[in-house]
Amino acid sequence: SQTIHQWPATLVQPVGSPLSLECTVEGTSNPNLYWYRQAAGRGLQLLFYSVGIGQISSEVPQNLSASRPQDRQFILSSKKLLLSDSGFYLCAWADGYYEQYFGPGTRLTVT
Amino acid sequence: GEDVEQSLFLSVREGDSSVINCTYTDSSSTYLYWYKQEPGAGLQLLTYIFSNMDMKQDQRLTVLLNKKDKHLSLRIADTQTGDSAIYFCAVRRVRGGGNKLTFGTGTQLKVEL
Repeated sequence: SQTIHQWPATLVQPVGSPLSLECTVEGTSNPNLYWYRQAAGRGLQLLFYSVGIGQISSEVPQNLSASRPQDRQFILSSKKLLLSDSGFYLCAWADGYYEQYFGPGTRLTVT
Repeated sequence: GEDVEQSLFLSVREGDSSVINCTYTDSSSTYLYWYKQEPGAGLQLLTYIFSNMDMKQDQRLTVLLNKKDKHLSLRIADTQTGDSAIYFCAVRRVRGGGNKLTFGTGTQLKVEL
């Protein structure tokens, strides 16, 4: 069966520091991968998605970037964090058909 | 772009039925989903429905789709305290590829004893 992992689970970082969040999927190949941010107000905002290695599409301009160095690995990065980057970051994968599955999330607090 | 709207809160008594509603704007949306999020956790896919269906039932869950009114609902029968969570409606975007979803703001369901 397929599983999706995210780490770290929680992170507290100072403003201006770099960021690297990792997401990996097991049990499938060539999935679509997604990064979402969930702010305190609850809504989910799609940040990036990828349909293959090295293929990244950005949904909104922002202080973040994404990379997909391997088929089942998706990384969210920032060179300098802003206070507004705080939130709950969710990674998801899809097999290209109907269903999208989410990881457990990373809680990021920028201080 | 696609808009998906939900009411923010719903409170029900244990054992009653819960009905969570969602409206969307793009009438050509093909797949519509319901997710559940418990505190501090990721989203759990509960069920989904194709746009050529009016209803789908899965154990205690019933999804109703009214394409004419662009209205989707999730009914939870015999609601339990473990059903307390935030429920998100999502629709697959028609344009842009990548099988992207647009989510509603979520409805917080509170189940009272």
